[in-house]
Amino acid sequence: SAVISQKPSRDICQRGTSLTIQCQVDSQVTMMFWYRQQPGQSLTLIATANQGSEATYESGFVIDKFPISRPNLTFSTLTVSNMSPEDSSIYLCSVQTSGYNEQFFGPGTRLTVL
Amino acid sequence: GENVEQHPSTLSVQEGDSAVIKCTYSDSASNYFPWYKQELGKGPQLIIDIRSNVGEKKDQRIAVTLNKTAKHFSLHITETQPEDSAVYFCAASTNFGNEKLTFGTGTRLTIIP
Repeated sequence: SAVISQKPSRDICQRGTSLTIQCQVDSQVTMMFWYRQQPGQSLTLIATANQGSEATYESGFVIDKFPISRPNLTFSTLTVSNMSPEDSSIYLCSVQTSGYNEQFFGPGTRLTVL
Repeated sequence: GENVEQHPSTLSVQEGDSAVIKCTYSDSASNYFPWYKQELGKGPQLIIDIRSNVGEKKDQRIAVTLNKTAKHFSLHITETQPEDSAVYFCAASTNFGNEKLTFGTGTRLTIIP
């Protein structure tokens, strides 16, 4: 497995602003992903963060709203742009440490938009 | 794309009894099926997984079974304890270079002391 940290752990933001969430892993990983978990709901994949290239977004998510960076094999950021109350969710990063599918999740960032 | 259904949405069992959570998937190409436990205020924790080349896997009080023909898999927890109370998610993915997980809707398990 891997030790994954996220910053911030929680935040309360005003609508129209943007928040950047950081995900740091204690070892190099092959894949990094960003998920959204709306209150009381399941996890939905936002995008795959690709090292050195543009992220791969899932249907319903766009780069202008959720820009992602992955400058190296241990770090990624997700920005939630021009926030509205509907963006209030838990945002989770996950990593895959090998070619064998296992994904491990960070503790999450709990975002409330007022 | 893949669709994963999970039942029941809530489950209450007496401490010491067994709990079973079931999931079905739609994509016959899926070959990896993990289960996650999410406690309040925490990220999901991988507790067990199974690949399509086996029918059952066990780890202490937790077991997972897979029926590829019927496209369903189940989580079994025996001798339940209060610390087993959490939300459990099943998921499915393929191993064809795009290992993204499709999650079930979750089961809130409550162990009654």
